[in-house]
Amino acid sequence: AQSVSQHNHHVILSEAASLELGCNYSYGGTVNLFWYVQYPGQHLQLLLKYFSGDPLVKGIKGFEAEFIKSKFSFNLRKPSVQWSDTAEYFCAVNARGSARQLTFGSGTQLTVLP
Amino acid sequence: SQTIHQWPATLVQPVGSPLSLECTVEGTSNPNLYWYRQAAGRGLQLLFYSVGIGQISSEVPQNLSASRPQDRQFILSSKKLLLSDSGFYLCAWNRPTGQVYKGNSPLHFGNGTRLTVT
Repeated sequence: AQSVSQHNHHVILSEAASLELGCNYSYGGTVNLFWYVQYPGQHLQLLLKYFSGDPLVKGIKGFEAEFIKSKFSFNLRKPSVQWSDTAEYFCAVNARGSARQLTFGSGTQLTVLP
Repeated sequence: SQTIHQWPATLVQPVGSPLSLECTVEGTSNPNLYWYRQAAGRGLQLLFYSVGIGQISSEVPQNLSASRPQDRQFILSSKKLLLSDSGFYLCAWNRPTGQVYKGNSPLHFGNGTRLTVT
């Protein structure tokens, strides 16, 4: 069975700081990878996804993530965060070709101080 | 455009009482539908998914059940709530693929229901 680990439960940054949120998964086969974001008072929405091809994927609002297969990682990055990036971020994995659904990590709460 | 509605937004229920959470999707046909639960300090846990009317798959054994009486309606129920049922419940949908979601269509989530069992 697949599992997802997000080791940072709460990250606090000042505006303009760089961000990297860690995500590691465990699964022996091919996976699809996702980052979802939940802004305060809003519903979960897709930030970016990786299916195949270039392991560096770009999402909305200047976010990007890099899939490193050898490390089973899919870390989320942003060079310069803004106050409006304050939200909870979820990494998720889906085993390609499997009937299993998305498995989510426990989430990372990002607080950006103005 | 497609929209997803989930209600109620918050609910406080005593232990042993029944539960019914409703979710409807508009603007699409034959969507895949999902119920997730987010408990404090944990990620999102898939509870049920459905690829069509009357077709329900359960991921986690528990005292909850789900039904899909209509194409775009998904209901989460319980006959007797437990304290451990407290949490944040999210309904979601994605494009119909004729099969269980395999990662080719992003999930669209509702606003969630905060359930507190007292």
